[in-house]
Amino acid sequence: AQSVTQLDSQVPVFEEAPVELRCNYSSSVSVYLFWYVQYPNQGLQLLLKYLSGSTLVKGINGFEAEFNKSQTSFHLRKPSVHISDTAEYFCAVTDMNRDDKIIFGKGTRLHILP
Amino acid sequence: DTGVSQDPRHKITKRGQNVTFRCDPISEHNRLYWYRQTLGQGPEFLTYFQNEAQLEKSRLLSDRFSAERPKGSFSTLEIQRTEQGDSAMYLCASSLWGGGETQYFGPGTRLLVL
Repeated sequence: AQSVTQLDSQVPVFEEAPVELRCNYSSSVSVYLFWYVQYPNQGLQLLLKYLSGSTLVKGINGFEAEFNKSQTSFHLRKPSVHISDTAEYFCAVTDMNRDDKIIFGKGTRLHILP
Repeated sequence: DTGVSQDPRHKITKRGQNVTFRCDPISEHNRLYWYRQTLGQGPEFLTYFQNEAQLEKSRLLSDRFSAERPKGSFSTLEIQRTEQGDSAMYLCASSLWGGGETQYFGPGTRLLVL
């Protein structure tokens, strides 16, 4: 079975400052990794995903994440945040071989301070 | 394509009543998933379909819950004899296939059981 730990439930950051949202996963098998964003009163939207290949993955809205297999981490970063990035961010994992459900973390709420 | 749609968006019901939610996936998608999201948590997997076949059900899905996808297109999720603990956001997602395929989420149905 897989599990996902998002180490921070809330992250406040000033506008135009960099941000890192941390994610660690646990799995005995190979996995695919995802970051989803949920804006207020909306459904989840995929930011980026890691399937294979380069460990640095670029996504939408200027976000990127780096897969680190030895540390079982998949941290999300953005060099300069905007007010519009205010949202809840979910890290997620799926078993590469089972081809089914996604396991989500509890989420990190990003607060952008003016 | 208009994306994944869910109906209704909000539902308030009294304890003991039955409720039914509908999900219309992206038209060419074979996979359809149901998740439940409670306050402060990430989405939790409930069940998924490949075409009309229901391939997996979570232990979270008690006997009071039933899901169908009769023609491999839209799906319904019914909760019988609702309990206050059923109050949550019910999310539907669809994907072309499984594995690393992106799951596209609908806006969700928010259920409140009084």
